[in-house]
Amino acid sequence: EIVLTQSPGTLSLSPGERVTLSCRASQSVRSSYLAWYQQKPGQAPRVLIYGGSSRATGIPDRFSGSGSGTDFTLTISRLEPEDFAVYYCQQYFISPQTFGQGTKVEIK
Amino acid sequence: QLQLQESGPGLVKPSETLSLTCSVSGDSISTSSYYWGWIRQPPGKGLEWIGTIYSNGDTYYNPSLKSRVTISVDTSSNQFSLKVNSLSAADTAVYYCARSTGGWHGDGWSDYWGQGTLVTVSS
Repeated sequence: EIVLTQSPGTLSLSPGERVTLSCRASQSVRSSYLAWYQQKPGQAPRVLIYGGSSRATGIPDRFSGSGSGTDFTLTISRLEPEDFAVYYCQQYFISPQTFGQGTKVEIK
Repeated sequence: QLQLQESGPGLVKPSETLSLTCSVSGDSISTSSYYWGWIRQPPGKGLEWIGTIYSNGDTYYNPSLKSRVTISVDTSSNQFSLKVNSLSAADTAVYYCARSTGGWHGDGWSDYWGQGTLVTVSS
């Protein structure tokens, strides 16, 4: 199965900062089969990006996804207070679909 | 508005079988072109895909769990279910049901999730 490695494990940032989260795959993933989720404590994950770069319904345009091959990125252009959460990448190119271990974005 | 709701026991004994049901409102499983499935998350850990089912009854399972898992659908009740047998403490997790699309062989990104239900395996 494809292993997704996210880095860093934790980011300590202030509101207004730009964030870049990394997701590296153990083998090539077609970019249109990569998704990103946000999860807050006690809540189910919420999809932010699917198909590598398409924003899900209702997701603000400060969130963007990019990448290809084995390296993918989620960028938050300007952190808002509600963006402090854990972020997961997911590949659904090769079964079984797999998730990264998550990156926590915390308030500095 | 689509909603999914998990139901089932919160505590199950080791070696027993877990049974969970996901009730769907706002979409019809029988006519939907989406996959319906289960994802779990051990406390403080990441997400693990368990498996999915399509409206025609085709099922897809994570090979790591395939020998212990069964997913079924009841289109008349607009529900789908999960059974996991031979439980151990390692199966303690929040279990989510979700709707997914975009991939093949049962895979895809999940656009709607249930709130999740914590299942603890303990004697």
